[in-house]
Amino acid sequence: DGGITQSPKYLFRKEGQNVTLSCEQNLNHDAMYWYRQDPGQGLRLIYYSQIVNDFQKGDIAEGYSVSREKKESFPLTVTSAQKNPTAFYLCASTSWGGNTEAFFGQGTRLTVV
Amino acid sequence: AQSVTQLGSHVSVSEGALVLLRCNYSSSVPPYLFWYVQYPNQGLQLLLKYTSAATLVKGINGFEAEFKKSETSFHLTKPSAHMSDAAEYFCAVSESGNTGKLIFGQGTTLQVKP
Repeated sequence: DGGITQSPKYLFRKEGQNVTLSCEQNLNHDAMYWYRQDPGQGLRLIYYSQIVNDFQKGDIAEGYSVSREKKESFPLTVTSAQKNPTAFYLCASTSWGGNTEAFFGQGTRLTVV
Repeated sequence: AQSVTQLGSHVSVSEGALVLLRCNYSSSVPPYLFWYVQYPNQGLQLLLKYTSAATLVKGINGFEAEFKKSETSFHLTKPSAHMSDAAEYFCAVSESGNTGKLIFGQGTTLQVKP
């Protein structure tokens, strides 16, 4: 079945450490997105990519980085510059166009220890 | 700028009662609107979407929503709540420009009491 796979499901980060969250899709979607979810704040966009080798900052990109070397993959790195990284991270993808729904992965819960 | 407001962060209903979750949007262009459901520690699943074809949209699990342009609303309803409906619900609008970016409301947690 087609879908989006995020890994790991749970991730623990030490202070000053970079960590990378994986997101892979086999839906043949062009666009991919990373959202951060905090309690009571809905989802906020971190980065998005509409085509391979191109990506744009979202509303809260500071302290994060991404790459899009393959259509299927859109990894997110949480750098040490992100001062409050504890959150639930969701990856999504869409086919082209604003009227198409986004498909979401199961999420990665990142905790700073 | 586009925005979404969900009225009520928590809604509690009895099993079998009507479910009404409120969503108001702000958009200068005809919007594409979505309702998603999230169960604990899971991703989001699409319930239904409005893309201007019909103002009353039917979704999965017996949910439906009505687009009212005059009220800038897209409220989600279900005639009879089931225990399995307990979850968090998000209303979202697709940002204009065909980027596919979604602007989400803050979410509403639905509690269903036996």
